[in-house]
Amino acid sequence: SQTIHQWPATLVQPVGSPLSLECTVEGTSNPNLYWYRQAAGRGLQLLFYSVGIGQISSEVPQNLSASRPQDRQFILSSKKLLLSDSGFYLCAWSAPTGHSGNTIYFGEGSWLTVV
Amino acid sequence: GESVGLHLPTLSVQEGDNSIINCAYSNSASDYFIWYKQESGKGPQFIIDIRSNMDKRQGQRVTVLLNKTVKHLSLQIAATQPGDSAVYFCAENYNNAGNMLTFGGGTRLMVKP
Repeated sequence: SQTIHQWPATLVQPVGSPLSLECTVEGTSNPNLYWYRQAAGRGLQLLFYSVGIGQISSEVPQNLSASRPQDRQFILSSKKLLLSDSGFYLCAWSAPTGHSGNTIYFGEGSWLTVV
Repeated sequence: GESVGLHLPTLSVQEGDNSIINCAYSNSASDYFIWYKQESGKGPQFIIDIRSNMDKRQGQRVTVLLNKTVKHLSLQIAATQPGDSAVYFCAENYNNAGNMLTFGGGTRLMVKP
């Protein structure tokens, strides 16, 4: 069966510090990978998605970036965090594009507080 | 795939009652729909899905109804339990968006013992 892991689960970072959130998926090949952000009490905002190694699409311009160095690894980064970057970050995966109507499965999330 | 950033509406039900959570979707070309449950501090969890060639699909204690005429989706939870308390999101997918889902704003379900 497929599993998704993301870490760290919680972190507190000062303004201007770098960020690295990591996500890995097991039990599947060539998945689509996603990073979402969720502000407290609000819905899901798609930040980045990737259909393959090195292929990243950005949905929202911001000071965050994503990378996919390996097939089942997805990393969310920032060089300098802003207060507004605080939130709940969710990694997710789905079967490759071309399989229409595939469910997106989410990780457990990472709480980021920028102070 | 960006959701509307609205404060969440809340549905409060008595334990044992049936719950109905509604969702209006935006694209008449959407052909696949999913309901997710998100407990506090956790990632959204898949509950049930339905394709546009169906009007109804049942799972364990949950039923999803799809009305394509008015672009409306509902999730019915039978005999609601305290463990059902969570935020529920609907999501829609249409073929020309690949695997991209568009999420609704979510509804908070509170179950009173």
